[in-house]
Parts: sequence; structure tokens; C-alpha cells
Amino acid sequence: KAGVTQTPRYLIKTRGQQVTLSCSPISGHRSVSWYQQTPGQGLQFLFEYFSETQRNKGNFPGRFSGRQFSNSRSEMNVSTLELGDSALYLCASSLEQRGGYNEQFFGPGTRLTVL
Amino acid sequence: GESVGLHLPTLSVQEGDNSIINCAYSNSASDYFIWYKQESGKGPQFIIDIRSNMDKRQGQRVTVLLNKTVKHLSLQIAATQPGDSAVYFCAENIEWESYIPTFGRGTSLIVHP
Repeated sequence: KAGVTQTPRYLIKTRGQQVTLSCSPISGHRSVSWYQQTPGQGLQFLFEYFSETQRNKGNFPGRFSGRQFSNSRSEMNVSTLELGDSALYLCASSLEQRGGYNEQFFGPGTRLTVL
Repeated sequence: GESVGLHLPTLSVQEGDNSIINCAYSNSASDYFIWYKQESGKGPQFIIDIRSNMDKRQGQRVTVLLNKTVKHLSLQIAATQPGDSAVYFCAENIEWESYIPTFGRGTSLIVHP
């Protein structure tokens, strides 16, 4: 079974631009979560989608948004990019995340650099 | 490959040694804990978990110890191999209340042949 895939793997943008990152979960997984990973803040939760609905949201500004499609694929968008948005963006999928632990399977991430 | 960052505590060991990676968690209400391994160029990968009703859990070459009194977790890796070189994260969660774990900062393990 193919793992979680993320595209693109690397991205360079300039301040003020916007960016869209894509995540394809493992087949059959309906929950997709997004995380931002930086040296200074570590792994921080952005949001989680299940059945095309955002179920949980971390403490990030409204410039960060996402959506999930009917096939469970997910995208996240960052508008008006800032230098501090440079990070590794990780997507994780699981069968279901509703009480108890459901193992999250992470993709390799998208490395975003904002110049 | 991708590097996680330059601000992590680092543990350097020789191949064949045992490694102990420590983690202090923040929420005394957390009752479920997970260790992840992140190799260069990859996302975090589940290693082992432990619930708060246990003090110790063993896997293949790995052991997790939980001390709830001082809110401390450790991951012991026996006979460390070069392939164990990675960043290791602990994560805490309040099971049945939230399914989004809170990750620790991570420790970089370097295994020298």
C-alpha cells in the first residue's frame, strides 16, 4: 500500500505570495492532519480534516487554511507569505481519529522557503 | 535529505552501545504517550507507545519508561545501530479527549560506526 505523498517536495516563494501544498493520504484513510515543523518551534499542529470537514484547528493565523476533497486528498494554503512561514510542512493520515489512538502515518513533507 | 533543524539536543553514541533519550512532558493530565523517529528526508514514524497505567513497555530493541511523578519519559534503544541515527520525538495526549498529540522538541541521535 502506498504511503502518504506530498507535493511538491520543495518550494521557494517570496514574501507576500501565496502557496498551496497537496497531500494524498493512504488509501482508505479519511483523516488528514497538517503540521508545521521548524527548528525553533518544533512540530506544531495546524488543522485536521475528516470527511471534507475541518474537525480541529491549531493556533495559527487565518492566513493558513486548508480543505479536503471527497477522495480524502487535502490541500493547505498559506496566503501573504512571511519569512517566518519557512518550514517543513508535514501531512499525516489515519483511518479515523475519534477518541483513543489511531496511528498517524506521516508523509515526507514539503520544504517551503520564503525569501 | 531534509534536516529537522540545528537547535536540538544531541546524543552521540557508538554502534553497539545502549542509548537513552529523555523527554519531559508538560501536561499532568496526559495519559497516552508516543515515541516517534524521524529520519532525514522523511516524516515522523511511530516507534512505541505507552499508556499512563503502565510504567514500562518493551518493543523490539526499544523500551519506554514512564515516570508520572516527575512527568518524564525515556526511550531506551538497545545495541544502537547506525540506522537508528535520527531525530526522536516524544508526544503526549489525553486519550478519549483529544486525538491531536502534542509533540516535544526532539533529540538528535547520532550513532558512530
